[in-house]
Amino acid sequence: SQQGEEDPQALSIQEGENATMNCSYKTSINNLQWYRQNSGRGLVHLILIRSNEREKHSGRLRVTLDTSKKSSSLLITASRAADTASYFCATDSNAGNNRKLIWGLGTSLAVNP
Amino acid sequence: DTEVTQTPKHLVMGMTNKKSLKCEQHMGHRAMYWYKQKAKKPPELMFVYSYEKLSINESVPSRFSPECPNSSLLNLHLHALQPEDSALYLCASSPGGGETQYFGPGTRLLVL
Repeated sequence: SQQGEEDPQALSIQEGENATMNCSYKTSINNLQWYRQNSGRGLVHLILIRSNEREKHSGRLRVTLDTSKKSSSLLITASRAADTASYFCATDSNAGNNRKLIWGLGTSLAVNP
Repeated sequence: DTEVTQTPKHLVMGMTNKKSLKCEQHMGHRAMYWYKQKAKKPPELMFVYSYEKLSINESVPSRFSPECPNSSLLNLHLHALQPEDSALYLCASSPGGGETQYFGPGTRLLVL
């Protein structure tokens, strides 16, 4: 079952603007991960943030995690046309051998030149 | 080598055919995954192998049969598929459960 919900479902911005995507989840987590997928391709891991972390940066990406609100946000600064893709959050909640990621529905980002 | 490879890239098969999808990683990862993804949807987990043993089967129909011959290889055997099985099939691996997953480029499957 999908526990992650992302908003917005679709986002269209101009090159140079910032893009913010949000992810909410339902149960307590070990970590939350963000992935990018270009059209029809495999997913690429962007950032993993653990439940005891509040913020992480990687280049132009900034991820925040609020475990009290069960939500996370992904900020892409100074967007480029090459950032056009679908972005998914995924949560790791289980323990032991049954660990798996629960995926959000995704945000489709279009960055217009 | 930080790559997960998948073959073939594209596959067209009839409902009576038998085919196999292959996945390979040489990162020493202990967990490997098969996902199915429809257009504009998130990936749906099908199977998880942990230390070469099947640890999760998400109630996948028996026309999909996974196999893990060794720690680097993962196969998905397909038989008597239905048109609704047409999708992008993604393989992934991770050092352990719950950790960052590394995805292959996928196999685009069309069932006629």
